[in-house]
Amino acid sequence: NAGVTQTPKFQVLKTGQSMTLQCAQDMNHNSMYWYRQDPGMGLRLIYYSASEGTTDKGEVPNGYNVSRLNKREFSLRLESAAPSQTSVYFCASSLAGEQETQYFGPGTRLLVL
Amino acid sequence: GEDVEQSLFLSVREGDSSVINCTYTDSSSTYLYWYKQEPGAGLQLLTYIFSNMDMKQDQRLTVLLNKKDKHLSLRIADTQTGDSAIYFCAESIRGGSYIPTFGRGTSLIVHP
Repeated sequence: NAGVTQTPKFQVLKTGQSMTLQCAQDMNHNSMYWYRQDPGMGLRLIYYSASEGTTDKGEVPNGYNVSRLNKREFSLRLESAAPSQTSVYFCASSLAGEQETQYFGPGTRLLVL
Repeated sequence: GEDVEQSLFLSVREGDSSVINCTYTDSSSTYLYWYKQEPGAGLQLLTYIFSNMDMKQDQRLTVLLNKKDKHLSLRIADTQTGDSAIYFCAESIRGGSYIPTFGRGTSLIVHP
């Protein structure tokens, strides 16, 4: 099993450009998540999908959209990138249930100039 | 409300024990977690404890839970340089979505 994979690993954007971060898991997990990690801020939840066909906002959803394409894939889209979106983005998945152990991807490092 | 707090840095000498502390605010927490993040990588679950337990031990790791003070600690015995990483405390709430709330992480630096 590859676990949780993310593409790309690194990306540089100019302000106003758009891009989609891809995430896939091969563990047959029901729930998937997008976080951003900034220095001193820990992890902040952007969006999550409790099951295929559903998505919900997390703590910091503004400026982002998501698509749960199927059970395996959960993408994060930045429609018009801003410097404040410079961050490291992590995708995670979990089986779902009371004990929510999350499995994380390796992250995408995004720089918006 | 949900709030998980940790100190930001801890420095220890190789071979000593490390103790990383965390406080949380929600008394209805069900699970409390410790995750480890190595440089350039995602988070990996180290261990978790259910809120009706006081202690859990797993090889060099000991988790202690003080429910009265809402205090969680992670003790790493015989700390090695490979233990240098960021350690995140997280809690999930009974009756909520069960999505964990993470602390800001404690950077553990192990020096020779």
